[in-house]
Amino acid sequence: EAGVAQSPRYKIIEKRQSVAFWCNPISGHATLYWYQQILGQGPKLLIQFQNNGVVDDSQLPKDRFSAERLKGVDSTLKIQPAKLEDSAVYLCASRVQGYGYTFGSGTRLTVV
Amino acid sequence: DQQVKQNSPSLSVQEGRISILNCDYTNSMFDYFLWYKKYPAEGPTFLISISSIKDKNEDGRFTVFLNKSAKHLSLHIVPSQPGDSAVYFCAASVSGSARQLTFGSGTQLTVLP
Repeated sequence: EAGVAQSPRYKIIEKRQSVAFWCNPISGHATLYWYQQILGQGPKLLIQFQNNGVVDDSQLPKDRFSAERLKGVDSTLKIQPAKLEDSAVYLCASRVQGYGYTFGSGTRLTVV
Repeated sequence: DQQVKQNSPSLSVQEGRISILNCDYTNSMFDYFLWYKKYPAEGPTFLISISSIKDKNEDGRFTVFLNKSAKHLSLHIVPSQPGDSAVYFCAASVSGSARQLTFGSGTQLTVLP
């Protein structure tokens, strides 16, 4: 079975620019998560989708971050405008009920 | 407010010896605990888990112990192998929370040949 695909793998942008990340979960996985992992810290949940609906976005900084999951499959996470503290690895994970998470390899964002 | 803590950022162990990684939590509502392993430039991969109704779970060389009264869990790797060198994350979740995971900050394990 194919894993969770994420792109791009790396991105360098200047502060105040915008950036978007893409995630393609495992086929049939209804639940999709975006996590932010800052260097030296554990992953922190940003948003959770069930099919194409948002389950929890309480930790998403909504003034600059947005996410969507069209048709309950692929998802995009956007940051606009980016700040230096947004430098992190952005991990996408998907899950089917009764089973554990499968994480993608992540997108490493550097804001300069 | 760190609900899951891994107080040792790094650990070095000789090949063949036991590796013990520790994790503490503060949220009494957590009832399911997991360990993930992460290699550089890859996403975390699931290693082993334990439900709060158990105090031990074993899978090959990996054993997780849970002490609910102390709010402490540990991962034992016996024997340690160089391929085990990675960052290990402890994670916890609450039933009914759609399995949202709260992670610790990770411990870098280095197994020396």
